[in-house]
Amino acid sequence: AQTVTQSQPEMSVQEAETVTLSCTYDTSESDYYLFWYKQPPSRQMILVIRQEAYKQQNATENRFSVNFQKAAKSFSLKISDSQLGDAAMYFCACTFRTGTASKLTFGTGTRLQVTL
Amino acid sequence: DAGVTQSPTHLIKTRGQQVTLRCSPKSGHDTVSWYQQALGQGPQFIFQYYEEEERQRGNFPDRFSGHQFPNYSSELNVNALLLGDSALYLCASSLAGGLETQYFGPGTRLLVL
Repeated sequence: AQTVTQSQPEMSVQEAETVTLSCTYDTSESDYYLFWYKQPPSRQMILVIRQEAYKQQNATENRFSVNFQKAAKSFSLKISDSQLGDAAMYFCACTFRTGTASKLTFGTGTRLQVTL
Repeated sequence: DAGVTQSPTHLIKTRGQQVTLRCSPKSGHDTVSWYQQALGQGPQFIFQYYEEEERQRGNFPDRFSGHQFPNYSSELNVNALLLGDSALYLCASSLAGGLETQYFGPGTRLLVL
């Protein structure tokens, strides 16, 4: 079975500072994608960033970047220049291909607080 | 370009009742997945529909069933509701054919009393 682990239930960062959220995963599959989703109090799960496992280059999206260590099965999210609007639950997730379908397996989430 | 929509936003039911939740996928998407998110937890995969058929199912009892219509919209049905079914139900849509990104709707909050 594939698993995703987020070991930081809560993190706090000051506005304009940088924070890194950790995620590890376990799979025997060679073909998979990794995601970070953000879930604000409004509940909607919003895609932050995606990383294809076959790509060596780390994905970046504006202030968001990942550190993908395939051998270590680690996938951390770095948020630079943190803003108040970044406060939310952040979920790490993986898509593993199972036959013709591909389901998302989520971690338990990290609650990010952004302070002034 | 409309994103994923879900209805209703909130629902209150009593134990033993049945409920139907609805989802319309993002324009151009043909695959719909359903997830259950209990309070304080990450979403858990219920099932995925493509071409009006269930392609994969998570570890959920047969009380949970679904349907996909020719226009790709989908319904999630839960029979004989239990208190433990209280959760946020999320619908996600994607393109078929691989490890495509899933885009989520705003969810339906179900409370079972």
